[in-house]
Amino acid sequence: SQTIHQWPATLVQPVGSPLSLECTVEGTSNPNLYWYRQAAGRGLQLLFYSVGIGQISSEVPQNLSASRPQDRQFILSSKKLLLSDSGFYLCAWSVGTGDGYTFGSGTRLTVV
Amino acid sequence: SQQGEEDPQALSIQEGENATMNCSYKTSINNLQWYRQNSGRGLVHLILIRSNEREKHSGRLRVTLDTSKKSSSLLITASRAADTASYFCATARTSGYSTLTFGKGTMLLVSP
Repeated sequence: SQTIHQWPATLVQPVGSPLSLECTVEGTSNPNLYWYRQAAGRGLQLLFYSVGIGQISSEVPQNLSASRPQDRQFILSSKKLLLSDSGFYLCAWSVGTGDGYTFGSGTRLTVV
Repeated sequence: SQQGEEDPQALSIQEGENATMNCSYKTSINNLQWYRQNSGRGLVHLILIRSNEREKHSGRLRVTLDTSKKSSSLLITASRAADTASYFCATARTSGYSTLTFGKGTMLLVSP
């Protein structure tokens, strides 16, 4: 069966520090991968998605970047965090881009 | 941009009652999906209804889709305290790489 792992669960980082959040999927090949951010009491904002290794589409210009170094690994990064980067980050995968998504358990990032 | 908008924003009911949540969207869709999110957790896919379907059932869930009105409803029958969560609708557009666009969600509280 397919599983998705996302870590860490919580993270407190100072302003200006770097960020690396990792997401891996098991039990499937060539998944579509997504990074969403959820602000408190808000809906989900799509940040990046990837339909294959090395293929990254950015939905919102911002302080973050994403990479897909392996088929089932998706990494969200920042060189210098801003206060506004705080939020709940969710990784997800799907077979097709319009199919049902399976989400990871999320990372609560607080930038102080 | 926000595609789906749920209504109401919050709903409080007693156990055993039915809960109805509505979702409106703006553009043509390939399918519409409903997700559930427990506090501080990732989203869980509940049900997917395609644009050529009008109604779908899954256990205590009933979803309807009216493409002429660009709206959908999620009915949870005989609610339980464990149904307490936020519920989101998400739409998959008909063109290109159709990533999901999520609404802001309805927060459902079911009291024992």
